Amino acid sequence: DVKVTQSSRYLVKRTGEKVFLECVQDMDHENMFWYRQDPGLGLRLIYFSYDVKMKEKGDIPEGYSVSREKKERFSLILESASTNQTSMYLCASSSEGRGASPLHFGNGTRLTVT
Amino acid sequence: ELKVEQNPLFLSMQEGKNYTIYCNYSTTSDRLYWYRQDPGKSLESLFVLLSNGAVKQEGRLMASLDTKARLSTLHITAAVHDLSATYFCAENTNTGNQFYFGTGTSLTVIP
Repeated sequence: DVKVTQSSRYLVKRTGEKVFLECVQDMDHENMFWYRQDPGLGLRLIYFSYDVKMKEKGDIPEGYSVSREKKERFSLILESASTNQTSMYLCASSSEGRGASPLHFGNGTRLTVT
Repeated sequence: ELKVEQNPLFLSMQEGKNYTIYCNYSTTSDRLYWYRQDPGKSLESLFVLLSNGAVKQEGRLMASLDTKARLSTLHITAAVHDLSATYFCAENTNTGNQFYFGTGTSLTVIP
């Protein structure tokens, strides 16, 4: 079974802090994604990566950056956390291209910025 | 703008009844996915629909895809309480890597 592991289940940070959310997958997937989930808004794509050191902006990249130094690891960085970044963050991975592979999700990190 | 719309957003149904959740999408994609999310948990893949006319069934759930109408449906047969969850559809764009999600349908099955 594909496993996508997010390092923290719950995080509480202060406004202005730099926040790192880590995600590791164990299935050698090329594609990795960061989404945020908010009530009434569904899942919105922040960034995705289709290869090591490659990244693409999603629909809401402002205030975020990402890092993919190794194939299995995709980090989401909040350079200066703000209260409007309080949300559930979901990491996902999928295999290359448009094959039959769905997204495989981690358990999520619920981030609260105070 | 890419758009995936689900309806209804909220669904309360009695055990034993049938119902359908609808997912309309705006592109010419032929890839459609259904996910389930239990409260406080992450998303779990239910169905992958890869071509026009595709139909997949698992237990009391059946999903279908009509690419001409840009419509996918998730049909629930004889609902049971264990099906209470939020259901999302998502399309995979023709360019390959991106998945776009609907806003979800929150299903509550009442005994």
